[in-house]
Amino acid sequence: AQSVAQPEDQVKVAEGNPLTVKCTYSVSGNPYLFWYVQYPNRGLQFLLKYITGDNLVKGSYGFEAEFNKSQTSFHLKKPSALVSDSALYFCAVRGLSYNTDKLIFGTGTRLQVFP
Amino acid sequence: EPEVTQTPSHQVTQMGQEVILRCVPISNHLYFYWYRQILGQKVEFLVSFYNNEISEKSEIFDDQFSVERPDGSNFTLKIRSTKLEDSAMYFCASSTQEGQGDTGELFFGEGSRLTVL
Repeated sequence: AQSVAQPEDQVKVAEGNPLTVKCTYSVSGNPYLFWYVQYPNRGLQFLLKYITGDNLVKGSYGFEAEFNKSQTSFHLKKPSALVSDSALYFCAVRGLSYNTDKLIFGTGTRLQVFP
Repeated sequence: EPEVTQTPSHQVTQMGQEVILRCVPISNHLYFYWYRQILGQKVEFLVSFYNNEISEKSEIFDDQFSVERPDGSNFTLKIRSTKLEDSAMYFCASSTQEGQGDTGELFFGEGSRLTVL
């Protein structure tokens, strides 16, 4: 079965420092991987995805993620964190059921960026 | 930019009552989904809908739940007899524009918060 794991419930970083939010995956076949962000009392916003090609994927708001097949990881990164990046981040993998684009989400990581 | 819209934003209901949550997916999208999130926790898949029928559903989506696309724009989730544990944020999503390649990402609405008393 397809799944993703986010080992950290919470990540705290100082503004201006680099941030990493970790995600590992378990899939059969080639993975479709995604990152979403959820601000308080809001819906899920798409940040970026890896389908194929370059292992370093760039997305919205200066975020990027690196697909690492040998480590089965897809960590989210940003070189310089902003206080406004504080939110809940979800890694997701696409299911492989016929006729569905179902995404399977991780448990989420709460990012707190302090001034 | 096209977006998924959901109504109501918040509904409070008594246990045992029927609830209908409404969604307008992005025009020309082919796949529709309902997810739920209990109190800022994990986002759980409920059901996917394609070509006017359910394509997949989770174990959460029991006989109390149903989905419908009554016209060309709306996509509804009905909970027939609500339970306390149905209290959650319910998200509608859509994906894959007709005539285009499969890009994979889902586009989510802002959610409908259901509180069952």
